[in-house]
Amino acid sequence: AQSVAQPEDQVNVAEGNPLTVKCTYSVSGNPYLFWYVQYPNRGLQFLLKYITGDNLVKGSYGFEAEFNKSQTSFHLKKPSALVSDSALYFCAVRDNGKAAGNKLTFGGGTRVLVKP
Amino acid sequence: DTEVTQTPKHLVMGMTNKKSLKCEQHMGHRAMYWYKQKAKKPPELMFVYSYEKLSINESVPSRFSPECPNSSLLNLHLHALQPEDSALYLCASSQPRQGPTQYFGPGTRLTVL
Repeated sequence: AQSVAQPEDQVNVAEGNPLTVKCTYSVSGNPYLFWYVQYPNRGLQFLLKYITGDNLVKGSYGFEAEFNKSQTSFHLKKPSALVSDSALYFCAVRDNGKAAGNKLTFGGGTRVLVKP
Repeated sequence: DTEVTQTPKHLVMGMTNKKSLKCEQHMGHRAMYWYKQKAKKPPELMFVYSYEKLSINESVPSRFSPECPNSSLLNLHLHALQPEDSALYLCASSQPRQGPTQYFGPGTRLTVL
């Protein structure tokens, strides 16, 4: 079974400071990993994904994530946070085996609050 | 264009009502999904349609009935819902041949009285 953990319910950061949102995962095979962001009363917006290749993945709005196979982690980062980055962030995983079908498993979410 | 649209945006219904949620995408995606999301919680998968056929039903109660009339449309028919079914219902789509990324619609906020 696949699972995702986001150990922090909330991350507070000052505007202009680096932002990190943590994610660890567990899958039986090789993982497909995703980050989504959700603004209040909105759907999930795709930020970036890791399928294969370079461990550093660059995504939308200046976000990037680093895949670390030995630590089974996929932390989301942004060098300089903006107040507008305040939102709920979800990490998700899918096993790349055929048995997984199209099923994504989401972490519990991390609320990011960027203060001016 | 990675747009998934959902109607209505908000829906209030009584426990005896019958209503439907609609989802549409014109990206040529052949997999479509229904998720249920409670406040401050992650989305929970309900149903998956792959090439217009139901491929995953996550043991969802029969008061929720999905329908995929064609490759662009996905409906969720609601009947005899309970107040605990109040949630944000999200639709998503993906193109299996282009990778596993799912693209989400804005959701329908459902309130059951």
